[in-house]
Amino acid sequence: AQTVTQSQPEMSVQEAETVTLSCTYDTSENNYYLFWYKQPPSRQMILVIRQEAYKQQNATENRFSVNFQKAAKSFSLKISDSQLGDTAMYFCAFESGTSYGKLTFGQGTILTVHP
Amino acid sequence: DVKVTQSSRYLVKRTGEKVFLECVQDMDHENMFWYRQDPGLGLRLIYFSYDVKMKEKGDIPEGYSVSREKKERFSLILESASTNQTSMYLCASSIRTAPDTQYFGPGTRLTVL
Repeated sequence: AQTVTQSQPEMSVQEAETVTLSCTYDTSENNYYLFWYKQPPSRQMILVIRQEAYKQQNATENRFSVNFQKAAKSFSLKISDSQLGDTAMYFCAFESGTSYGKLTFGQGTILTVHP
Repeated sequence: DVKVTQSSRYLVKRTGEKVFLECVQDMDHENMFWYRQDPGLGLRLIYFSYDVKMKEKGDIPEGYSVSREKKERFSLILESASTNQTSMYLCASSIRTAPDTQYFGPGTRLTVL
């Protein structure tokens, strides 16, 4: 079974600065996908970014980018130019290539952006 | 925009009651999921369904059952609610082909007294 670990329960950052959230995972599979989801306070969870394991290039979505280290089984999220609206709980998630879309989530990291 | 709705935002029930949580999606998605979210544990999958009348156990199915009679609707049933089922319940949907974004509902915060 796969496991996903987020070792930072809480993080904080000043507005306009850069922050990196950590995620490690454990799997014996070679074909899989990794995701970061964001859950703002009292709002619905939404997808931030995703990475296919077969792609060597790190995914980027505007101010959000990942550092995917397949051999180390590490998948960190970097948020550049942090904004107040980035304040949220962030979840790292793993999907096997054969799982009908079933996700395994990490414990979550609460990120607070301070003005 | 994809919309996933859940029948209640907040629910208070008594121990032993039968509880129904309903989820509806409007994007004709094949897959639907029920998670519970607890502090320090993240989201844990209870049940999922990849087609009408199909269901598969997730990681923590004990004490729960599900029903999917129509493609757009996925119900979670607590046959006899217990206090350890007090939690936030999230529904999600996605198309079948991986990798696909899961679209989440707003959640139901269930308290069992």
